[in-house]
Amino acid sequence: GENVEQHPSTLSVQEGDSAVIKCTYSDSASNYFPWYKQELGKRPQLIIDIRSNVGEKKDQRIAVTLNKTAKHFSLHITETQPEDSAVYFCAASNGHDMRFGAGTRLTVKP
Amino acid sequence: SAVISQKPSRDICQRGTSLTIQCQVDSQVTMMFWYRQQPGQSLTLIATANQGSEATYESGFVIDKFPISRPNLTFSTLTVSNMSPEDSSIYLCSVDGTGMNEQFFGPGTRLTVL
Repeated sequence: GENVEQHPSTLSVQEGDSAVIKCTYSDSASNYFPWYKQELGKRPQLIIDIRSNVGEKKDQRIAVTLNKTAKHFSLHITETQPEDSAVYFCAASNGHDMRFGAGTRLTVKP
Repeated sequence: SAVISQKPSRDICQRGTSLTIQCQVDSQVTMMFWYRQQPGQSLTLIATANQGSEATYESGFVIDKFPISRPNLTFSTLTVSNMSPEDSSIYLCSVDGTGMNEQFFGPGTRLTVL
């Protein structure tokens, strides 16, 4: 089955700096890669996703890249703000089920 | 995206008892999912619930422990049976609201078993 690994487990940056979270997956049939943001005590929120026919996608300060050959994908947050502090989960789906990474706790220091 | 609600939002239960969690969506969806999230951990898929068919369980989860109902396209229940303290967790339902694998989560049910 699919195995998703996520790094780093914790990340601390200064406000205004960039943050990068990386994930790898094992199932070559995976074709959909969402990213979720979960604030303390809240539900996971879908913030951006990418499909296997696209190499990069951007939405304001966040972007995702996908390297199908290497089976890895990354989340990039630029100009970080304190409200970006949360746990971020990557996931990979083959259309039948979705597997999540272990999560990255991002702290943005003002 | 779909509006998803869950009941109860939290509960404290005695070991050996069962709790049924409800998930309601404001639009018809084909696929609904149940996840468990233990404190500080990631999301683990328990089962996929499709209307009109038996739920499909992931490895490590069995129907006797986590029976699921899916009576229509807007509602599902998950029962946690014969609970033990190890079942203390947050249980979340999610739906594929677009038919394109995009999953949206309910607010979760925080379960504590004493």
